[in-house]
Amino acid sequence: NAGVTQTPKFRVLKTGQSMTLLCAQDMNHEYMYWYRQDPGMGLRLIHYSVGEGTTAKGEVPDGYNVSRLKKQNFLLGLESAAPSQTSVYFCASRLIGLASSYNEQFFGPGTRLTVL
Amino acid sequence: AQSVTQLDSHVSVSEGTPVLLRCNYSSSYSPSLFWYVQHPNKGLQLLLKYTSAATLVKGINGFEAEFKKSETSFHLTKPSAHMSDAAEYFCVVSVTMDTGRRALTFGSGTRLQVQP
Repeated sequence: NAGVTQTPKFRVLKTGQSMTLLCAQDMNHEYMYWYRQDPGMGLRLIHYSVGEGTTAKGEVPDGYNVSRLKKQNFLLGLESAAPSQTSVYFCASRLIGLASSYNEQFFGPGTRLTVL
Repeated sequence: AQSVTQLDSHVSVSEGTPVLLRCNYSSSYSPSLFWYVQHPNKGLQLLLKYTSAATLVKGINGFEAEFKKSETSFHLTKPSAHMSDAAEYFCVVSVTMDTGRRALTFGSGTRLQVQP
């Protein structure tokens, strides 16, 4: 099991460029998440998905779009990158279920994005 | 609404001495609480979790945390620090609301330094 993987690991963009970050999980998890991590702010939720074909906004969704065409993949898109989107992006996934044992999220290694 | 406060942004200890990382939370619902660790340029790894069973929770690498409802705290401790413990630690609260939706909130992180 590879767990949660993210590509690419690093990327530098110029303002206005677009790109897509890919998250893949091989654990058959229903829920998937995209977070951004900025110094002194912990992780903040951008978008999430509760299943194939469904997505929802999180805490900081502006400037990002997502798609979940396949259960195992969750894509994060930046249509027109801005310097404020310089951050480390983490993807996570978890099993569906209301029991507290399903609360744990499994994280990918992160993508470090710099927008010049 | 729920929130998590990590009371120290930086903690420095000597190798072999105890570690205490403090976390307070607020929640209108019965929470699940987690501690995650992030080593430099790595993803987040689950250290331990509290899910309404025993209030003293043991995790990996000798860490443990005690859930104290009366103090709304979930402090992380380790009897003897090791150099490999140097990392950033995040306290996380998860609650399931009346709607069935589960919300995850991250603290801002505590950077642990271990001096030789």
